[in-house]
Amino acid sequence: DTGVSQDPRHKITKRGQNVTFRCDPISEHNRLYWYRQTLGQGPEFLTYFQNEAQLEKSRLLSDRFSAERPKGSFSTLEIQRTEQGDSAMYLCASSLIGDNQPQHFGDGTRLSIL
Amino acid sequence: AQKVTQAQTEISVVEKEDVTLDCVYETRDTTYYLFWYKQPPSGELVFLIRRNSFDEQNEISGRYSWNFQKSTSSFNFTITASQVVDSAVYFCALSEAGTGRRALTFGSGTRLQVQP
Repeated sequence: DTGVSQDPRHKITKRGQNVTFRCDPISEHNRLYWYRQTLGQGPEFLTYFQNEAQLEKSRLLSDRFSAERPKGSFSTLEIQRTEQGDSAMYLCASSLIGDNQPQHFGDGTRLSIL
Repeated sequence: AQKVTQAQTEISVVEKEDVTLDCVYETRDTTYYLFWYKQPPSGELVFLIRRNSFDEQNEISGRYSWNFQKSTSSFNFTITASQVVDSAVYFCALSEAGTGRRALTFGSGTRLQVQP
């Protein structure tokens, strides 16, 4: 059983450019989550999907951010018109349905804005 | 609003010492779940344990043990006979079931350095 896979591992881009990250969850997991982690901090929740439905979005998710999970399998997170403050590690996690189900995380995508 | 506090920013111990990582949480929900995750230098968050708010039994898994006390809103993590491989950042996290939210609220983490 493979874990959560994220691509790319690292992304360096100039301010103002658009970037897109991909996450492939554990195959039988219905729920998929996106978090952002900055240096020295814990992950902060961005959004989550149950199957293809986006059920919750954080206030951190500005209108420049959009996430999709079109077929209920992999998900993409796009950031438009990137800003310096977007530099962070973007983490994806997946879980089974159930309140007590642990979220399993991928290795993350590190975004650096020049 | 929910909150998780890990007051210890960094702890350094010598191998074979016991070490306790503190976690204090705040929630208005009566049904919630507490988690510990380990983030080694490689970066991937590794799930260690889950506890629900109705189960205050302490748990032991090998060298790891967890002490959950609702009276003090704490969920502390002890590593017995620490090893160099335990060096990592450890995060405590909270999930509120009653609100329907599925997000994990993380503390800011405790960096543990185990010296040989």
